[in-house]
Amino acid sequence: DGGITQSPKYLFRKEGQNVTLSCEQNLNHDAMYWYRQDPGQGLRLIYYSQIVNDFQKGDIAEGYSVSREKKESFPLTVTSAQKNPTAFYLCASKDGVNTGELFFGEGSRLTVL
Amino acid sequence: RKEVEQDPGPFNVPEGATVAFNCTYSNSASQSFFWYRQDCRKEPKLLMSVYSSGNEDGRFTAQLNRASQYISLLIRDSKLSDSATYLCVVNMYGTSYGKLTFGQGTILTVHP
Repeated sequence: DGGITQSPKYLFRKEGQNVTLSCEQNLNHDAMYWYRQDPGQGLRLIYYSQIVNDFQKGDIAEGYSVSREKKESFPLTVTSAQKNPTAFYLCASKDGVNTGELFFGEGSRLTVL
Repeated sequence: RKEVEQDPGPFNVPEGATVAFNCTYSNSASQSFFWYRQDCRKEPKLLMSVYSSGNEDGRFTAQLNRASQYISLLIRDSKLSDSATYLCVVNMYGTSYGKLTFGQGTILTVHP
């Protein structure tokens, strides 16, 4: 089945540790996105990538890094520089042609202790 | 001013009621607009796109008002299963790959 897979679903880390969240899609979509959602809030864009080997900062990129070495994969690293990393992280993809529908993974809940 | 703004609610309505949500956007050049639905602790899913002429899908009607820079979602004959958060999404830069900006969401609770 086509879709987006995020892992891990739940993650606990100590302060000061870097964490990498995985996002893989087999929808053959060019564009991929990372969003962060805090309780009672909408989604805020962290990074997005329109094509392999290219990515752009979103609204809240500080303390995060990404790579896009393959079309299918867009991992997000939450670094120790991110001041408040506990949140729900959502990866999404879009084919970008004649459609605005974003397809989301099930999300990763990161808790920093 | 936020780029995309919604009334967070919550809206509490009885089954069978009609309820409407509005969403305003700041960039007049925005080209495409959507409503997503998000259930508690789940990922958002597309509910419907919003077209210039307005569009309807069963009990749901979406409208776009470019002059006043808002979109709306009307739900008729509310069901218990409509309880969710409704997210307004705007393509801010008018390209198919453009940055999609989300509103903070409107919480709807439908009660018996």
